[in-house]
Amino acid sequence: DIQLTQSPSSLSASIGDRVTITCQTSQAITNHLNWYQHKPGKAPKLLIYDVSNLEPGVPSRFSGSGSGTNFTFAINTLQPEDIATYYCQQLDDLPTFGQGTRLDIK
Amino acid sequence: QVQLVQSGAEVKKPGASVKVSCKASGYHYSGYYIHWVRQAPGQGLEWVGWVTPKGETDYSQKFQGRVTLTRDTSITTAYLALTGLTFDDTAMYYCASPSSSWSDAFDVWGQGTMVTVSS
Repeated sequence: DIQLTQSPSSLSASIGDRVTITCQTSQAITNHLNWYQHKPGKAPKLLIYDVSNLEPGVPSRFSGSGSGTNFTFAINTLQPEDIATYYCQQLDDLPTFGQGTRLDIK
Repeated sequence: QVQLVQSGAEVKKPGASVKVSCKASGYHYSGYYIHWVRQAPGQGLEWVGWVTPKGETDYSQKFQGRVTLTRDTSITTAYLALTGLTFDDTAMYYCASPSSSWSDAFDVWGQGTMVTVSS
C-alpha cells in the first residue's frame, strides 16, 4: 500500500490567513492525488482532483500543487466556513487517505 | 443529478454481520465504480474496497476475509456486507463514486450509514 503522511495533523489559523497542508507519499505517484474537506455530520467533499484541478463549484481560494512524493494543498484567505478536517488521497494504487489535518480558527 | 442514497443506521452485537446498501441514481452511464469508505469515531477516513460495474471487487488488506462488496445493476444498488463484527467496526460507512469521465476521484458520496457494535 502507498502510505500518505499529512502535515500538520492540526492547525489553528485566523480568518484571512493563507493555510497550507502537505501530503507526502511513501513512493512516487503520478497525478492521482486528491484533496477532500470533511465537516462533522456531513459526507466528505471533493475539492481538488488530480493534484491541482479545482472541482466545479469549489471556491478559487482552494488550490493544490506538487509532484512525485510531495504535494501541497492551500487555502488563500481563510473563511469561517473552511473549518473542517482535510484529507489527501492517492489513487495510483488501491486508494489510501492521509491521516487528516484538523483546521480550526485561532 | 447524480446521487447515492444509503440505508439506515444499524446496531449489532459483537460477532454479528451487517449489510449496508447504497442506491445510485442520475448516472448517465453504467460503468462507474462504487467505493466504500469508513470513519470510526475520532479517526480518519479509511478505504474499505471497491466493486466494479462487472461486479469485480478489491479490498483493503485490513478487511480481507470479512467484507464482501456486491452490486445489483438491475436496481443500481451496491451492498457492503461485513461479518464478525467487533467494537472496532463501530463507524460511519460511506459509499462513494466518481461520476465524471475525466477523473477517478470520489466526487459523489452517500449520506453515510452509522453502524454501532454494542453488547
